[in-house]
Amino acid sequence: DAGVTQSPTHLIKTRGQQVTLRCSPKSGHDTVSWYQQALGQGPQFIFQYYEEEERQRGNFPDRFSGHQFPNYSSELNVNALLLGDSALYLCASSLDFQGNYGYTFGSGTRLTVV
Amino acid sequence: KQEVTQIPAALSVPEGENLVLNCSFTDSAIYNLQWFRQDPGKGLTSLLLIQSSQREQTSGRLNASLDKSSGRSTLYIAASQPGDSATYLCAVRKGNNRLAFGKGNQVVVIP
Repeated sequence: DAGVTQSPTHLIKTRGQQVTLRCSPKSGHDTVSWYQQALGQGPQFIFQYYEEEERQRGNFPDRFSGHQFPNYSSELNVNALLLGDSALYLCASSLDFQGNYGYTFGSGTRLTVV
Repeated sequence: KQEVTQIPAALSVPEGENLVLNCSFTDSAIYNLQWFRQDPGKGLTSLLLIQSSQREQTSGRLNASLDKSSGRSTLYIAASQPGDSATYLCAVRKGNNRLAFGKGNQVVVIP
């Protein structure tokens, strides 16, 4: 049973560019959340998608946007990249919208902005 | 705002010793708490999930306790092994259906 899969694993972008990260949730999970983890810090919540809609959003600017597809997979888009966007981006899926059964995380995408 | 603190930030123990990792949170109105393991540069692996109504959960050498009223959880790892070297993250879920994480306990088990 495949868990959460994320692509690509690593990415290097130039300041000002745009990037798209992808996530496929664990089989049977319909809710996807995205987190940003800076070096030495705990992950920070970006947003959550359920039924193809953004349901919640953390304290991130509008440069961060997302999408969820009918098959529950999701994309995270970041526009006008800044050096400070360099981080590990983690996707998490859950069996229900509330997270009553916990969350399963992927291996992450390491984004470096130069 | 929910704040999660993990103490100690880093520790080294000789192989075979028991590990005790602490997590505290400021708002006791949580729904559940989840412990994760993270290897350097990698994603998160779920270790244990404790619901707010539970006092502890066990899986093999791992045991996690939860004292919601005092805002504390402790992860015990028995008979540590070099393969246990990693960062351990504590995360709490409130009614807003998102996880609030601590910065982690970085563990090194010395052979």
